[in-house]
Amino acid sequence: DAKTTQPNSMESNEEEPVHLPCNHSTISGTDYIHWYRQLPSQGPEYVIHGLTSNVNNRMASLAIAEDRKSSTLILHRATLRDAAVYYCILWRRGGATNKLIFGTGTLLAVQP
Amino acid sequence: KAGVTQTPRYLIKTRGQQVTLSCSPISGHRSVSWYQQTPGQGLQFLFEYFSETQRNKGNFPGRFSGRQFSNSRSEMNVSTLELGDSALYLCASSSQQLSYEQYFGPGTRLTVT
Repeated sequence: DAKTTQPNSMESNEEEPVHLPCNHSTISGTDYIHWYRQLPSQGPEYVIHGLTSNVNNRMASLAIAEDRKSSTLILHRATLRDAAVYYCILWRRGGATNKLIFGTGTLLAVQP
Repeated sequence: KAGVTQTPRYLIKTRGQQVTLSCSPISGHRSVSWYQQTPGQGLQFLFEYFSETQRNKGNFPGRFSGRQFSNSRSEMNVSTLELGDSALYLCASSSQQLSYEQYFGPGTRLTVT
């Protein structure tokens, strides 16, 4: 299974953009890049996913490097409610499974 | 639409006992996966069901088992509980056999004493 590497923790100020990096140098061509987040005392929550092109949704943007060996989750204006652990996960569609392999994630602290 | 529900939310059991946890997926979802979350090991995949069939199993001992019913509800069972089984057990559902987005329940907090 391909592995992802994320910083253990990051800090941001409220209403400022946040860029959460993820390295996945062993990514294969059929691996999708998924991001989930886990707020305190809750189950993980889907944020966004992408394959090759940059993606935007109502929660965040995902910027994928041209060689796909890294990606960045962008929260455009952090709020206190964005404080969570963010997980970058590689999901292989050809693996015929919905199994997610979670790493240690990045703990994002948002200061008022 | 109601989210994924898990019952019970909290449970205290004694070492050696067995426990059954329940997960009701979002209506119409046929895929259910189970995860164990502990401070030391993080989130680990237990097993996955689709249309009552187990499709995938993680690296857990045989004491951990599960099943899925025809209404897509799923149960997991842990027999001969050990102290190390204390964890948050999370269930996730998705609508398709292969899905980009999975919806997690709030989890069942199991404490083994």
